[in-house]
Amino acid sequence: GDSVTQMEGPVTLSEEAFLTINCTYTATGYPSLFWYVQYPGEGLQLLLKATKADDKGSNKGFEATYRKETTSFHLEKGSVQVSDSAVYFCALNRYTGNQFYFGTGTSLTVIP
Amino acid sequence: GAVVSQHPSRVICKSGTSVKIECRSLDFQATTMFWYRQFPKQSLMLMATSNEGSKATYEQGVEKDKFLINHASLTLSTLTVTSAHPEDSSFYICSALPLGRIAKNIQYFGAGTRLSVL
Repeated sequence: GDSVTQMEGPVTLSEEAFLTINCTYTATGYPSLFWYVQYPGEGLQLLLKATKADDKGSNKGFEATYRKETTSFHLEKGSVQVSDSAVYFCALNRYTGNQFYFGTGTSLTVIP
Repeated sequence: GAVVSQHPSRVICKSGTSVKIECRSLDFQATTMFWYRQFPKQSLMLMATSNEGSKATYEQGVEKDKFLINHASLTLSTLTVTSAHPEDSSFYICSALPLGRIAKNIQYFGAGTRLSVL
């Protein structure tokens, strides 16, 4: 069945450090891939998405490229800020409107 | 942007009582809402799909008599955990799929409800 494997946290970085959160997936066909972010006390918010192979999603300095050959969708940011501290979820969705499959979430703390 | 309100954010109850969790889409209509559950250090698992005006569709292994879902309007779905027990303690989160949106695989999530059963 469909699944998402996400690197375990927690991750603690200093401000302006480089961030990578690994995500790999298992799915038949061509799923859409997502990164969601959850700030403390808030719901999950869509951070970025990619709907086909080699697409790059980007938002707020974060990027992730849909790599079908490695079934990966790693999240990267060149210089993290304290305000990026949150829990990040990788997810896939195979059919429009259908359920999402989530990774376990990675907690990121950025210290000044 | 679209807002989904989930209430309460945290609830502590005694074993054997029932708890109702509300999920409201504040500025859009949603014929479909989803209920997820997250165990510690595990991913969010879909419990059921809630459709306005019809019965919810439950995922395999989820007890429909235990987790009652009602989607009576286009902006409200409720999850009732009946006769709660300590093993029901978890983080529950809802999401809503906007009606008529072009990018229909974008769901909007509530902030979640932390349920603790004593």
